[in-house]
Amino acid sequence: DGGITQSPKYLFRKEGQNVTLSCEQNLNHDAMYWYRQDPGQGLRLIYYSQIVNDFQKGDIAEGYSVSREKKESFPLTVTSAQKNPTAFYLCASSRDSWGEQFFGPGTRLTVL
Amino acid sequence: AQSVTQPDIHITVSEGASLELRCNYSYGATPYLFWYVQSPGQGLQLLLKYFSGDTLVQGIKGFEAEFKRSQSSFNLRKPSVHWSDAAEYFCAVGASTGANNLFFGTGTRLTVIP
Repeated sequence: DGGITQSPKYLFRKEGQNVTLSCEQNLNHDAMYWYRQDPGQGLRLIYYSQIVNDFQKGDIAEGYSVSREKKESFPLTVTSAQKNPTAFYLCASSRDSWGEQFFGPGTRLTVL
Repeated sequence: AQSVTQPDIHITVSEGASLELRCNYSYGATPYLFWYVQSPGQGLQLLLKYFSGDTLVQGIKGFEAEFKRSQSSFNLRKPSVHWSDAAEYFCAVGASTGANNLFFGTGTRLTVIP
């Protein structure tokens, strides 16, 4: 059963700690994406990767980092430099740069 | 740069009534257009997409959308709404040079009353 998994669904961290959100896909998609969703603001792109070992900053990359060592995995690290990390984080993938994006179920991060 | 406007933040319709959600985009060339639906606390599911060809696009769950280049619009429609359609709906636009960077509207929340 192909799809995108994100874990955990809920994540709590203390202020000042780095935290890594997991995203795995078994769709054999080349491209993967991370979005942040805040109430009333739609989705904003954090980072995207078109291919393994390559990634590009999106509109709001400050305070975040990613890696793409494997085709199926695209973890996102929320660093202590991110001023307002509490949000709903969505991972997506697409077959290539022109394909529609398929989304995971999301991770809700709360920083206390 | 692309941008998307969804002018209606919240819409309430009666079950069985027709629905139209508005989406206006800004993009200099032919856009790729998408409608996604999101249930509370869940990811986004693609309803339909427009890349080229017929401007009236059919999607899943009985939804359709019409691309009108002259109005820069891609409105979503459904002839008869079901209670299970209550959700948040997002319009998105991507560049025809590569849909890597989808620009999303702020969403329209749909409430369905019996």
